Amino acid sequence: NAGVTQTPKFQVLKTGQSMTLQCAQDMNHNSMYWYRQDPGMGLRLIYYSASEGTTDKGEVPNGYNVSRLNKREFSLRLESAAPSQTSVYFCASSPVALSDSGELFFGEGSRLTVL
Amino acid sequence: RKEVEQDPGPFNVPEGATVAFNCTYSNSASQSFFWYRQDCRKEPKLLMSVYSSGNEDGRFTAQLNRASQYISLLIRDSKLSDSATYLCVVKGYSSASKIIFGSGTRLSIRP
Repeated sequence: NAGVTQTPKFQVLKTGQSMTLQCAQDMNHNSMYWYRQDPGMGLRLIYYSASEGTTDKGEVPNGYNVSRLNKREFSLRLESAAPSQTSVYFCASSPVALSDSGELFFGEGSRLTVL
Repeated sequence: RKEVEQDPGPFNVPEGATVAFNCTYSNSASQSFFWYRQDCRKEPKLLMSVYSSGNEDGRFTAQLNRASQYISLLIRDSKLSDSATYLCVVKGYSSASKIIFGSGTRLSIRP
């Protein structure tokens, strides 16, 4: 069972470079999310997509863009990477837009270092 | 003040011990509460929801105190496999942006 798959798992960028993190889920979930996790900060929501065709900003959207390509895929793009974007990025999905179940299914994470 | 606060630990306890940690939240309008578990360098996974009346799942007991705005997690008869970081999660309204993760409490169980 694949669940939520993220690529790449590791990436090193130089300041100013661009890259896209890919995320795909095979659970037929409607909602997908991108979080970043930094030491001592907890997970912070970057962007989310409540359903196919919609995207909304989360707590820390600056410097990022997203695309909900179809129901399965939700990508995160860094147009001009900055050292402050060094982090672990998690993609997650949920069957509906965060009902009271509160369960998010996470990918394994993508570790990004910006030099 | 952070919206969700947890003692970062680490809590270092012997196998078989009982350990408890709390999580406080600042928004009194918060509606739903959860505990997630995150193993080292892995993704978070839902451990259990926290219900108003308190709830138990095997060795794990979660409780909610709305008056004092905290939730707690109690682990009885701790196992080596319980070593992980426990994330407190608080959900406000229906918007995804109202889900707040605590920074986690690290638990280490020693033989």
